[in-house]
Amino acid sequence: SQTIHQWPATLVQPVGSPLSLECTVEGTSNPNLYWYRQAAGRGLQLLFYSVGIGQISSEVPQNLSASRPQDRQFILSSKKLLLSDSGFYLCACRGGNNEKLFFGSGTQLSVL
Amino acid sequence: GENVEQHPSTLSVQEGDSAVIKCTYSDSASNYFPWYKQELGKGPQLIIDIRSNVGEKKDQRIAVTLNKTAKHFSLHITETQPEDSAVYFCAAPGGGADGLTFGKGTHLIIQP
Repeated sequence: SQTIHQWPATLVQPVGSPLSLECTVEGTSNPNLYWYRQAAGRGLQLLFYSVGIGQISSEVPQNLSASRPQDRQFILSSKKLLLSDSGFYLCACRGGNNEKLFFGSGTQLSVL
Repeated sequence: GENVEQHPSTLSVQEGDSAVIKCTYSDSASNYFPWYKQELGKGPQLIIDIRSNVGEKKDQRIAVTLNKTAKHFSLHITETQPEDSAVYFCAAPGGGADGLTFGKGTHLIIQP
């Protein structure tokens, strides 16, 4: 079964600072990878998805970007964080022909 | 695109009683409906799912029912226990590259 590693678990950053969140996946190859954001007390919003190395699609316009430098690595970045970027960021994975979507443990980002 | 509505937003039940959470979806072509449980500070965990070719699926104390005609599906938890307290999300296929569209979540509180 697949395992999703996300780090860091918690991050406090000042406004205007850069961001890099990393997600790596084990136990599957050529997965679809996703970044979701969850605002406090709200549902899950899909930010980016990737079907392969170097292939990134954005679902919503925003201050963030994503990259997939390796098959099982997905990175969420920002050059300058905004207060509105605060939230709980979740990496998710769907492997092969499996329709099941699995989530990592998440990163709680606070921008102050 | 798919729209998923989830009710209620908060549900409080006595320990040992049953809990029911309901969701509706808009896309009649949707064929896969998962449920996730999210504990505080953790990523959502897939607890049960159902495909559109069946009307009900059970796994110990949890069950999911699906009414394709009415386009709604429900999560049933029997003999509730304190560890069932969490936020529960329903979902249906939506978003790019076979992502999921989520309901806004139900905060289930089990009263001792």
